[in-house]
Amino acid sequence: QKEVEQDPGPLSVPEGAIVSLNCTYSNSAFQYFMWYRQYSRKGPELLMYTYSSGNKEDGRFTAQVDKSSKYISLFIRDSQPSDSATYLCAMRDTGGFKTIFGAGTRLFVKA
Amino acid sequence: GAVVSQHPSRVICKSGTSVKIECRSLDFQATTMFWYRQFPKQSLMLMATSNEGSKATYEQGVEKDKFLINHASLTLSTLTVTSAHPEDSSFYICSASGRTGFSYEQYFGPGTRLTVT
Repeated sequence: QKEVEQDPGPLSVPEGAIVSLNCTYSNSAFQYFMWYRQYSRKGPELLMYTYSSGNKEDGRFTAQVDKSSKYISLFIRDSQPSDSATYLCAMRDTGGFKTIFGAGTRLFVKA
Repeated sequence: GAVVSQHPSRVICKSGTSVKIECRSLDFQATTMFWYRQFPKQSLMLMATSNEGSKATYEQGVEKDKFLINHASLTLSTLTVTSAHPEDSSFYICSASGRTGFSYEQYFGPGTRLTVT
């Protein structure tokens, strides 16, 4: 079993839709949860960063962490074609240097 | 966020030659740098972790004599692919973590696409 599971998609939605991206994990020691966006042939870009459980909102993006279920989500409201990219979840335990990445979900937002 | 650059962005080399990729943190001091490899439509595979002034720690299955990593300063790390072969063709991405406002984040470079012919 992988430490972090993420559906690779692809996920295709119409412009303006609400997008829900999810990851599950098995290591209860994870405390730091991140979402990265990666455009084709580019390096990942940090989108959201959350410590422990709870919600965090930044513009059209909302990150949720449910540690009891070992489940994290990223919601994108009013999705735009420019949101088309691969979204990677990532997590790390306290004091650990190593970040564990999900496989990434490819998202296509159609105009 | 912090800026990390990589050079070159794309390189083509012949089989048997060596290629050096540079990773620089432009506006912060990177105490730790990571090197990843990414195959098409797959996630990041961590190759090694390096701390400034120390030897790199390689992940299981990564040949340290083939992938030489140097982290001589707080702003520069290099990855040298020695005696490259076509199977080494991949997208190599570095990331840096260090003394920024959010010390646990990793900031990624734009990646280097290596093609070995």
